[in-house]
Amino acid sequence: EAQVTQNPRYLITVTGKKLTVTCSQNMNHEYMSWYRQDPGLGLRQIYYSMNVEVTDKGDVPEGYKVSRKEKRNFPLILESPSPNQTSLYFCASSDDLAGGITDTQYFGPGTRLTVL
Amino acid sequence: AQSVAQPEDQVNVAEGNPLTVKCTYSVSGNPYLFWYVQYPNRGLQFLLKYITGDNLVKGSYGFEAEFNKSQTSFHLKKPSALVSDSALYFCAVRDGENYGQNFVFGPGTRLSVLP
Repeated sequence: EAQVTQNPRYLITVTGKKLTVTCSQNMNHEYMSWYRQDPGLGLRQIYYSMNVEVTDKGDVPEGYKVSRKEKRNFPLILESPSPNQTSLYFCASSDDLAGGITDTQYFGPGTRLTVL
Repeated sequence: AQSVAQPEDQVNVAEGNPLTVKCTYSVSGNPYLFWYVQYPNRGLQFLLKYITGDNLVKGSYGFEAEFNKSQTSFHLKKPSALVSDSALYFCAVRDGENYGQNFVFGPGTRLSVLP
């Protein structure tokens, strides 16, 4: 089954404790992205990656890091989480960035993060 | 830079009535426009998109959207609403002429279909 998986689904942590949220897709997609969803603000893009070893900042990258060492994985790293990073996080992947027929993003189930 | 506006936080409609969820956009190049739906405690699901061609796009679950270039709008419509359509709807845009540009989502519109 084609899917995007995220782990963990729920996480409660404390300020300053480094954490990683994993994202994996089994569709051989080149494009992957991380979003955070906050009430009234919709989804805001944190980082995206157009291929292995190619990443770029989205609209709200501060406080986050990403890496893309393999095509299928795109982990989100919070080196020193703060309470303002409490949010719902979504990973997504897409199979054609260059204006092809599809250009549709497939979303993971989300990770609800609480930073105390 | 591109942007998306969804002017209504909430849309209420009676079951069986037509529904419209509004979206306007701003982009410097050619707009690639999308609608996604989010059900409670779920990720976003793709509904439909406009890349090129016919201005009226048909998507999943009986939804359709009309691309209007002069009004920079991409309103989502359905002729007859169902209670099960109640969800959070997001419009998104990408600049089709700029490879690598990120996607921008609107703030979302909560649709409530009343029985």
